[in-house]
Amino acid sequence: DTGVSQDPRHKITKRGQNVTFRCDPISEHNRLYWYRQTLGQGPEFLTYFQNEAQLEKSRLLSDRFSAERPKGSFSTLEIQRTEQGDSAMYLCASTIPGGKRSDTEAFFGQGTRLTVV
Amino acid sequence: SQQGEEDPQALSIQEGENATMNCSYKTSINNLQWYRQNSGRGLVHLILIRSNEREKHSGRLRVTLDTSKKSSSLLITASRAADTASYFCATDPFRGSYIPTFGRGTSLIVHP
Repeated sequence: DTGVSQDPRHKITKRGQNVTFRCDPISEHNRLYWYRQTLGQGPEFLTYFQNEAQLEKSRLLSDRFSAERPKGSFSTLEIQRTEQGDSAMYLCASTIPGGKRSDTEAFFGQGTRLTVV
Repeated sequence: SQQGEEDPQALSIQEGENATMNCSYKTSINNLQWYRQNSGRGLVHLILIRSNEREKHSGRLRVTLDTSKKSSSLLITASRAADTASYFCATDPFRGSYIPTFGRGTSLIVHP
């Protein structure tokens, strides 16, 4: 296992279509995060999972966005009825809880770049 | 809204010079982390400093933390062209959950 893997790396879709991205975290990592990053900005938190439980989803940008992690391993992020404003880099990260609440680094995938035309 | 804000937004220096970038944040933290991102790629963790630490070193990196001012700085000494990247600080402002929260970043260009 060489790290966090995201697929596809690039996606071009027409406005109104649905898209789904996949993230495979580092195998022993039970926390998985999704972020969105637009040009010139930092990653913006969307949602995260602890194993298969989605613990925080209030930051998902709209009800068109949904995420799953059915078996506590890989995760998918779906965007329905895409809009041009959804064009961005979607990043996935995973961590393993440290001894203290936040004493861990997040390992990021290379991201999926979405272009909505 | 983003928790940490890096300053400056952009920094251009010559190889061999030192680069200093700053991060300010709003709420109390348990630790602060710095990440690096090469263009179009994912983020890579550089260093973590805990709230009870004031300074930390890792190779050519030096990080300071001032919790009274809610600020941190990242110093890269003897910069190289390969250090060209965006640098982000990350804090964990969410109570009860660990969610790395990033600022807008500093874009560093090191000219050979």
